[in-house]
Parts: sequence; structure tokens; C-alpha cells
Amino acid sequence: AQKVTQAQTEISVVEKEDVTLDCVYETRDTTYYLFWYKQPPSGELVFLIRRNSFDEQNEISGRYSWNFQKSTSSFNFTITASQVVDSAVYFCALSEAGTSYDKVIFGPGTSLSVIP
Amino acid sequence: NAGVTQTPKFRVLKTGQSMTLLCAQDMNHEYMYWYRQDPGMGLRLIHYSVGEGTTAKGEVPDGYNVSRLKKQNFLLGLESAAPSQTSVYFCASRRTVTDTQYFGPGTRLTVL
Repeated sequence: AQKVTQAQTEISVVEKEDVTLDCVYETRDTTYYLFWYKQPPSGELVFLIRRNSFDEQNEISGRYSWNFQKSTSSFNFTITASQVVDSAVYFCALSEAGTSYDKVIFGPGTSLSVIP
Repeated sequence: NAGVTQTPKFRVLKTGQSMTLLCAQDMNHEYMYWYRQDPGMGLRLIHYSVGEGTTAKGEVPDGYNVSRLKKQNFLLGLESAAPSQTSVYFCASRRTVTDTQYFGPGTRLTVL
């Protein structure tokens, strides 16, 4: 069965600090996709990244970076030099192959507050 | 190109009333989804559809029905609303199983 765990319920950091959001997933499949979404206070869901299980390269996009480690089933998200606009709830999600491939399962989310 | 739209944005129901939430997408996507979001629980999949005329159950389907008569529309129905169905409902779509999901703006439903 697929499962996504985001153990950090809430995180507060001071502006310009770096922060890492943890995501641990469970799957029995060798082929799967992982996603991160951002939900700002306005409520919409904003796609950040998609990563397939065969690509373990770390990815950097501006102040955002992602560390995918299959050995620990983790797909962690780091924000460097955080800003107030980064305050949001961040969701990690998993879509696995086989009969569940058409479903996307979300973690419970991590609420990030960046304090000026 | 409006993306994914949801109607209505807000709704208040009394226990036992029925209603239908409409999701529409103009991206010709095959896959459509309905989620509910409750505090501390992330998004939970209610029902989904892999193409026109098909529907399937997600994690929390009880109390809801869906229909996908047209490719661009995915309807979520509550036949007899209960307070436990108070939530924010999100619709999403994607072109294939390997693509990113695009979400609608959400519908905030309160059942009294």
C-alpha cells in the first residue's frame, strides 16, 4: 500500500534561514512518481516538482532544492534563504505504478511560517 | 484557457440536503479527481475518473457519488449531506498518469 508521511506538522523559521521539509514514502512498486505542492494562505495548490523513481539526481530551482534518496525512501525539500512569501502548507505526494498508478496520495502537509 | 474551474466556491447546507459540485477543465485531460481537505489530514481522494464515462473509488468515497458524462466535466454529488462532510473540496485533472495534476481553486462546503 502507498503512504506518504510528513512528520513535521508545523515549522517556524526566521527570514533568511534555510529550512528542510521532510517527506518519507512507502511503496511496493519500483516505478512511481513523487510530487511537491505548495498551498499558500490564499488556498490554491501550486505544483512545485515531479520526480520519477528512476531519477535520483538532486534538483535545484532557485532557492528550492530537492533531495531524493531511494535508500531511505525520502524526498526532502529545502528552501534556502527563506522569505515571508514561502509561508505556506507544503504537501508531498506519491503516485505508484500498477493498479494504483492513476491515483495520487498526499501526505498530511507541513505548515511553514517564515517570520520577518 | 481557464484551466480547472469549480462551481460553486462556497456553499452552506443543512443536514440531509443534497447538492452537486461541478468541476470543469478545458485542457482535454483524461484523468480527473475529487479530493477533500481537512485540517491536519492533507488531501484525501474521494473518487476519480480515468476517462469519459468511467469513475472509481478513492480513499474516502462513502457518502459521495460522481459522474463523468462529458470528458471536460466531473460532478461530485452529496445525496444527503452530513456535518462530517464539512470540508474544502478540490478538483484536479491531468493528461496522463505520469503528468502533473492541475488543481481547481476549491469549494468550501459547510454542513450545519
